[in-house]
Amino acid sequence: ETGVTQSPTHLIKTRGQQVTLRCSSQSGHNTVSWYQQALGQGPQFIFQYYREEENGRGNFPPRFSGLQFPNYSSELNVNALELDDSALYLCASSAGLAQETQYFGPGTRLLVL
Amino acid sequence: GQQLNQSPQSMFIQEGEDVSMNCTSSSIFNTWLWYKQDPGEGPVLLIALYKAGELTSNGRLTAQFGITRKDSFLNISASIPSDVGIYFCAQPTNFGNEKLTFGTGTRLTIIP
Repeated sequence: ETGVTQSPTHLIKTRGQQVTLRCSSQSGHNTVSWYQQALGQGPQFIFQYYREEENGRGNFPPRFSGLQFPNYSSELNVNALELDDSALYLCASSAGLAQETQYFGPGTRLLVL
Repeated sequence: GQQLNQSPQSMFIQEGEDVSMNCTSSSIFNTWLWYKQDPGEGPVLLIALYKAGELTSNGRLTAQFGITRKDSFLNISASIPSDVGIYFCAQPTNFGNEKLTFGTGTRLTIIP
């Protein structure tokens, strides 16, 4: 059984660019949640996808968008990057909506210059 | 909105010492979760608590759900080098369970 994987591990972009981050959920998991973790802070919920539909969204602007595919992998897209978007982006998968069973990936560290 | 405050922010201890940290919430919730995050990794669930007053252990870790339902405590006994990391408390939303809210974190450093 493979765990949650994310790609790329590190990324450097400039202001105004667009970025796509990818997440493969753990085998058998149909729910993927994305979190942003700024340096020195706890993760902040961005949104969740359940069976390819968005199921809840945190306090993030519309330029943060996502997708979930039939195999339950997911993408996080961020348009018009800002310096404050620099953070560790974490993906977590779970088998359904029971949050205590979330399994986190290692994250993608994004630096916006 | 829901806020989780953890204390202390950081701890510097010697190997073998016991550790205590806590988390307080601005609201009453039915679940407390404790996670640990190692450098370069995502958080890993350590302990889940579901009932006021509940005391649950996971090896050298013990967590308690406060009776006011607004706080929780995590203790680590006889700390070892691999305990180094950041410890987060977290709570699911009260309705819909669509997200986790994380605390501010306690960074644990072990002095050789």
